[in-house]
Amino acid sequence: DGGITQSPKYLFRKEGQNVTLSCEQNLNHDAMYWYRQDPGQGLRLIYYSQIVNDFQKGDIAEGYSVSREKKESFPLTVTSAQKNPTAFYLCASQGQYSNQPQHFGDGTRLSIL
Amino acid sequence: AQKITQTQPGMFVQEKEAVTLDCTYDTSDPSYGLFWYKQPSSGEMIFLIYQGSYDQQNATEGRYSLNFQKARKSANLVISASQLGDSAMYFCAMREVGGGADGLTFGKGTHLIIQP
Repeated sequence: DGGITQSPKYLFRKEGQNVTLSCEQNLNHDAMYWYRQDPGQGLRLIYYSQIVNDFQKGDIAEGYSVSREKKESFPLTVTSAQKNPTAFYLCASQGQYSNQPQHFGDGTRLSIL
Repeated sequence: AQKITQTQPGMFVQEKEAVTLDCTYDTSDPSYGLFWYKQPSSGEMIFLIYQGSYDQQNATEGRYSLNFQKARKSANLVISASQLGDSAMYFCAMREVGGGADGLTFGKGTHLIIQP
């Protein structure tokens, strides 16, 4: 089945540590996105990529980094500069037309040890 | 100013009743799209319905319909004949086609609980 796979489902980070969240899609979508969700809140855009080897900052990019070396993959690194990383992280992809919905993965819950 | 406002943090509704979830938005872009998503407690985001700014008719998808009032900048989701499985968080989101950052702007959501 076509879809988006995020891993791991749960992730724990120690102070000062970088961690990487995986996002893979087989929908053949050019555009991919990372969102952060805090408890009781909506989603906020961290980074997005509309094409391979190109990505743009969203509203809350500080403390995060991404890469887009392959169309199918858009990993997110939460760096030690992100002082409040505990959140639910969702990856999404979208087809080429603006009226198409974004498809989401099942998310990764990141916590601080 | 918030671009998407959902004024109902939580709602309790009796099973089989219709429910309306409110959403107002703010944009100066004449071309935009409005989306509703459902998020069960498991966390995944499920797309429900889409309304484009130039669409002449209100969108419908099964038990879901969208009450789109462009002049009032509102896009309320209507769920008919609610079911216990409808209990979830519901998010309204907007995509501005004209410019600025790509991606969706989300409201803070409404927690809907369907009671038997």
